[in-house]
Amino acid sequence: DVKVTQSSRYLVKRTGEKVFLECVQDMDHENMFWYRQDPGLGLRLIYFSYDVKMKEKGDIPEGYSVSREKKERFSLILESASTNQTSMYLCASSSAGLDTEAFFGQGTRLTVV
Amino acid sequence: AQRVTQPEKLLSVFKGAPVELKCNYSYSGSPELFWYVQYSRQRLQLLLRHISRESIKGFTADLNKGETSFHLKKPFAQEEDSAMYYCAPRMDSSYKLIFGSGTRLLVRP
Repeated sequence: DVKVTQSSRYLVKRTGEKVFLECVQDMDHENMFWYRQDPGLGLRLIYFSYDVKMKEKGDIPEGYSVSREKKERFSLILESASTNQTSMYLCASSSAGLDTEAFFGQGTRLTVV
Repeated sequence: AQRVTQPEKLLSVFKGAPVELKCNYSYSGSPELFWYVQYSRQRLQLLLRHISRESIKGFTADLNKGETSFHLKKPFAQEEDSAMYYCAPRMDSSYKLIFGSGTRLLVRP
């Protein structure tokens, strides 16, 4: 059974904190993605990675950074959390190729207070 | 710029009625096209992909390159179809997977 696992289901952080969201996949996938999901806005791509140590900005990278030191792990970092980063964060992975399916984690609900 | 539009935020139909969820895209290349679905309290998951030309849970999607559309259709909606549906084009030469804003389908008894 394929698995994408996000380290936390719920997180509450204070404004200004540095926040780490972790994602691990066990499918040996090349591609990994971080999205935020907001009502009415759908899924917006923050960053993605197509190989270890490789990353590209998505549509809304401001305020975020990522790290991919190992193939199975993709971390999203909020350098200084702000209230407008309160959201549901989804991690996904897929193998290389245009027509490959993306598998999603269960999501992390982050609240910044 | 790559764009995908799902014009309806909410689509409400009665059980047994036909359903069409619209998706329009604007890409310079030839994207591969997907529909993903998220049922209540479940993970986002693939519903169907254009390349497979298959029907999943009674849903089909036709690519119209002239209109750059990939609408999702089902002739007779069921209550268990109630969910959020996302259209997702994947452009050739890119690893990006972009999603539309989603349409919530509500099937009433």
